[in-house]
Amino acid sequence: QQPVQSPQAVILREGEDAVINCSSSKALYSVHWYRQKHGEAPVFLMILLKGGEQKGHEKISASFNEKKQQSSLYLTASQLSYSGTYFCGTGGGSTLGRLYFGRGTQLTVWP
Amino acid sequence: DTGVSQDPRHKITKRGQNVTFRCDPISEHNRLYWYRQTLGQGPEFLTYFQNEAQLEKSRLLSDRFSAERPKGSFSTLEIQRTEQGDSAMYLCASSLSASAGSPLHFGNGTRLTVT
Repeated sequence: QQPVQSPQAVILREGEDAVINCSSSKALYSVHWYRQKHGEAPVFLMILLKGGEQKGHEKISASFNEKKQQSSLYLTASQLSYSGTYFCGTGGGSTLGRLYFGRGTQLTVWP
Repeated sequence: DTGVSQDPRHKITKRGQNVTFRCDPISEHNRLYWYRQTLGQGPEFLTYFQNEAQLEKSRLLSDRFSAERPKGSFSTLEIQRTEQGDSAMYLCASSLSASAGSPLHFGNGTRLTVT
């Protein structure tokens, strides 16, 4: 039930864009996105709920296609601070129980 | 909002010993979760509480693991007869509500090393 993330790693120059994908073999109700820097706790970015709504957070946005059981995280005009490992966590119900996290996508932004 | 705090930050123990970790969630959060993370992996669910009630426990979790949240505030995770495979980062998280739209707030974790 663990979602699959792709790519495993991305290397960017400052100002470039990136897309991180998360797909599940199970029906999804919610998709959470978190960023974790080395040695730190995962930090919440955004949640998407069933309904296909696209959300934005400054230059980071995400979409959720419930039919395809997929979510994508879009990072535009990347900044050095975007470096870290991005995890998607998926939930199957309208209440927050366990989340299944993917293995993560390591993003490195160079100046 | 002081965030989720975990204690200790690091624990080194010998195989066969028991260890206990503590988590203090954000004060108004009624849901508390334990996850485990190993290098190169995402957080793996262990268990979660709604107030003092333990609502779900992963079937992957050995009987050596037990968690409590006696008064619906802080929680403890105990591992008995530790094994080298238990070496990992143990993350605690809390959320304000049971809604699927409620984000998890993670603590900085307790890193366990079993020698």
